[in-house]
Amino acid sequence: NAGVMQNPRHLVRRRGQEARLRCSPMKGHSHVYWYRQLPEEGLKFMVYLQKENIIDESGMPKERFSAEFPKEGPSILRIQQVVRGDSAAYFCASSSGTREHEQFFGPGTRLTVL
Amino acid sequence: GEDVEQSLFLSVREGDSSVINCTYTDSSSTYLYWYKQEPGAGLQLLTYIFSNMDMKQDQRLTVLLNKKDKHLSLRIADTQTGDSAIYFCAEIVKTSYDKVIFGPGTSLSVIP
Repeated sequence: NAGVMQNPRHLVRRRGQEARLRCSPMKGHSHVYWYRQLPEEGLKFMVYLQKENIIDESGMPKERFSAEFPKEGPSILRIQQVVRGDSAAYFCASSSGTREHEQFFGPGTRLTVL
Repeated sequence: GEDVEQSLFLSVREGDSSVINCTYTDSSSTYLYWYKQEPGAGLQLLTYIFSNMDMKQDQRLTVLLNKKDKHLSLRIADTQTGDSAIYFCAEIVKTSYDKVIFGPGTSLSVIP
C-alpha cells in the first residue's frame, strides 16, 4: 500500500537546463496537486490535475513551467531553462475523487539550481 | 482574500502544552485541517475537524474551532522533542472545486 511517490528526491541542475519531476499518486487516486516550498517559506499551490486534464493552474508561472498527468504513468512537472530562483522543494499530493480535499503528500523533490 | 494566517514560530519546553493558532477566511469551509511537516519530509495529515464541531480530541491533540471568529487552534499536550516540526493549518475555499488553502506554517521548537 505505497503512498505518494516522487522521484528523484534530489535533483541538481545548472542554469538553463531542464528539470523533470515525477509523481506517482497513491493507488486509486486520480487527483494530483503540485506545490512549491521555497526555503523558509510556506507552501505555494502550483497546479491541480486530474487524469489528462489540468483543472487549476493559477499558481503556476506562465513561462517555463508545465505539468501533465497522462492516462498512463506518473504526473510530470517540467521546468525549462531553470534559474537559481527555481531552487526549492516541490511537493506532490494526491487525493481520491470522493474526498478530493483530503490530500496525501509525497516526500518531495529538492531541486538545486547551480 | 484567501489568506490563512498563522504565527511563524513557537518555542515551548518539553512537557509543556503547545498551542498553535490559525485564522482562516472562508466561513463556509466545511473542513479545517492540521498538517505536520518534519524536517526534510513531506506534509502529513495530522487531524481535521468538521465545521459543525467546536472541538475534537485525539490523544494528545485537541483542535478547537471558533466559527464566529474564524479561529482554529491546535493544542499539543505534554509536548515532546519529536513534536518539533512545522504545523500547517488549511481551509477549504469554494471555487470551481474544493480548493485547499494552506497557511504559512508555524515552526514549533521543543526545548529539552
